[in-house]
Amino acid sequence: KNQVEQSPQSLIILEGKNCTLQCNYTVSPFSNLRWYKQDTGRGPVSLTIMTFSENTKSNGRYTATLDADTKQSSLHITASQLSDSASYICVVSDRGSTLGRLYFGRGTQLTVWP
Amino acid sequence: EADIYQTPRYLVIGTGKKITLECSQTMGHDKMYWYQQDPGMELHLIHYSYGVNSTEKGDLSSESTVSRIRTEHFPLTLESARPSHTSQYLCASSGGGAGNTIYFGEGSWLTVV
Repeated sequence: KNQVEQSPQSLIILEGKNCTLQCNYTVSPFSNLRWYKQDTGRGPVSLTIMTFSENTKSNGRYTATLDADTKQSSLHITASQLSDSASYICVVSDRGSTLGRLYFGRGTQLTVWP
Repeated sequence: EADIYQTPRYLVIGTGKKITLECSQTMGHDKMYWYQQDPGMELHLIHYSYGVNSTEKGDLSSESTVSRIRTEHFPLTLESARPSHTSQYLCASSGGGAGNTIYFGEGSWLTVV
């Protein structure tokens, strides 16, 4: 069964600290993996997209890694800011159709305290 | 900023009413999607479209219907709302291949009382 599991479910850190969010998936055949940031009450916003051949991709203070062999990805946030408080969603796409079916994780709820 | 817009953002309606959630994008994307998301839960695909006059049901069974008469417009309709339809509805669009960015609207929060 194709699944996407994220951990931890929630995380609280102090402003300025770093953190790493995890995503494990069983989706096959794999096409790409995306990380989205979703502020409360808003729509998700894309942070990164990685294909099978990409190990690392950065977007400002956000760095995503992908290990396609172990089917794991991580999102590292450097020097956290209050505005980083949001839900971070891991989304994996398969190659089974033109649409590229998406499998969503439940997200990690990050709270940054001052 | 993604050029995809949803209205209304928030709506409270009575049981049995008919409602239409509007979604428009100005990016010329052929693919459009509707997702349903309950608080703290993952997004579930309820409808998608490859282009004009093309609509398909998604993974999650939904009593809603959609239409795609124009490329930029993908409205979702509930003929008779019920309390079980209370949820957040997210519209999205993407262009090109399966690896392209999917842009989401801000969402429509529907409460049926």
